[in-house]
Amino acid sequence: DQQVKQNSPSLSVQEGRISILNCDYTNSMFDYFLWYKKYPAEGPTFLISISSIKDKNEDGRFTVFLNKSAKHLSLHIVPSQPGDSAVYFCAASTNTGNQFYFGTGTSLTVIP
Amino acid sequence: KAGVTQTPRYLIKTRGQQVTLSCSPISGHRSVSWYQQTPGQGLQFLFEYFSETQRNKGNFPGRFSGRQFSNSRSEMNVSTLELGDSALYLCASSLQRGAPYEQYFGPGTRLTVT
Repeated sequence: DQQVKQNSPSLSVQEGRISILNCDYTNSMFDYFLWYKKYPAEGPTFLISISSIKDKNEDGRFTVFLNKSAKHLSLHIVPSQPGDSAVYFCAASTNTGNQFYFGTGTSLTVIP
Repeated sequence: KAGVTQTPRYLIKTRGQQVTLSCSPISGHRSVSWYQQTPGQGLQFLFEYFSETQRNKGNFPGRFSGRQFSNSRSEMNVSTLELGDSALYLCASSLQRGAPYEQYFGPGTRLTVT
């Protein structure tokens, strides 16, 4: 059973606009969330994380929002750049757990 | 500091054969996890090793096994290969186990079973 879901397999955005990638989870015990970016022929690279004690974490153009009551998190990229075109995975874990659960990924295409 | 390395990068095997994949974690990282990535399935957790012991195992058949050596390097083995085992196999290392230690991934081994 997929505990972390990314329901949009793909997303296209114009350069300079905002990209919003969404992620839902089912396990209410999850309290640590991460986003990874993956280019073809490379492994995923860590992008940004958020702990459940926060509802927002920002790092440059990337902001992650967490809505615990809705079991939903989102990644905002502003402004989007062509180099952001990649597959984005969200992942979740419990603070005491030792396993990360990954979503199926969203392929983002930023159109110049 | 060198990243996570995986060998080989590409592999073609025949159904029924076995295969061994290798992973060298970032120096100082003690936890190594393995994932299988297939289209539409995302990253499926295989197992995690820490201090040469398997600490966690995902929902995969016993044909999938692994081990970790004293230098933290890890290998995974798949026996009696099936066509459905064709996938990208990713290894990830982290300083310690679990959150908040993010995982650093290698480039993966692309396994094709014919």
